[in-house]
Amino acid sequence: GEDVEQSLFLSVREGDSSVINCTYTDSSSTYLYWYKQEPGAGLQLLTYIFSNMDMKQDQRLTVLLNKKDKHLSLRIADTQTGDSAIYFCAERDTGRRALTFGSGTRLQVQP
Amino acid sequence: EAQVTQNPRYLITVTGKKLTVTCSQNMNHEYMSWYRQDPGLGLRQIYYSMNVEVTDKGDVPEGYKVSRKEKRNFPLILESPSPNQTSLYFCASSTTSGSYNEQFFGPGTRLTVL
Repeated sequence: GEDVEQSLFLSVREGDSSVINCTYTDSSSTYLYWYKQEPGAGLQLLTYIFSNMDMKQDQRLTVLLNKKDKHLSLRIADTQTGDSAIYFCAERDTGRRALTFGSGTRLQVQP
Repeated sequence: EAQVTQNPRYLITVTGKKLTVTCSQNMNHEYMSWYRQDPGLGLRQIYYSMNVEVTDKGDVPEGYKVSRKEKRNFPLILESPSPNQTSLYFCASSTTSGSYNEQFFGPGTRLTVL
């Protein structure tokens, strides 16, 4: 079945860039997503990328997709304390529309 | 305001006592889904529904039931809860038309089964 893997923890200083990495196994994934979960809250879609794209930029967020290596990354420029959260990478099963999530990367931003 | 609501937000119960977690969305979405979130495992799909009266199993359906009698509601039923069902549960919904089909998540229900 599909598998999505992420590192569990990342700590950066305020103002630095953060890079969160993800690997996935399902080569038929058409969309890949990044969700953000703040403490005590549900998941919120941050951004997504279509599988025929290599890069997508949205303000401070840059998503890079290496389809050959099945590697997805999220770069957050000028990281702020408000970016502290858990970030989930996910791919979508086109059949049942389920999202397969990674275990989440906890981003800690130090002032 | 477009949203997915879940009730209750927190629940502590005992083994074997039937419970229902409600989920409702006001976006006229066809697709609804339940996930559970456990530390180190991310979110795993329990059941999903493509439309009214159409439900199907996800990755971890054992011990759960669902129903979809109305488009807006998708309750999750635990007929005989056990401690291994202690978890954080999320309901989600999305449209089935269009492209990237963002899934909108509820705020979560934290369930503890003693």
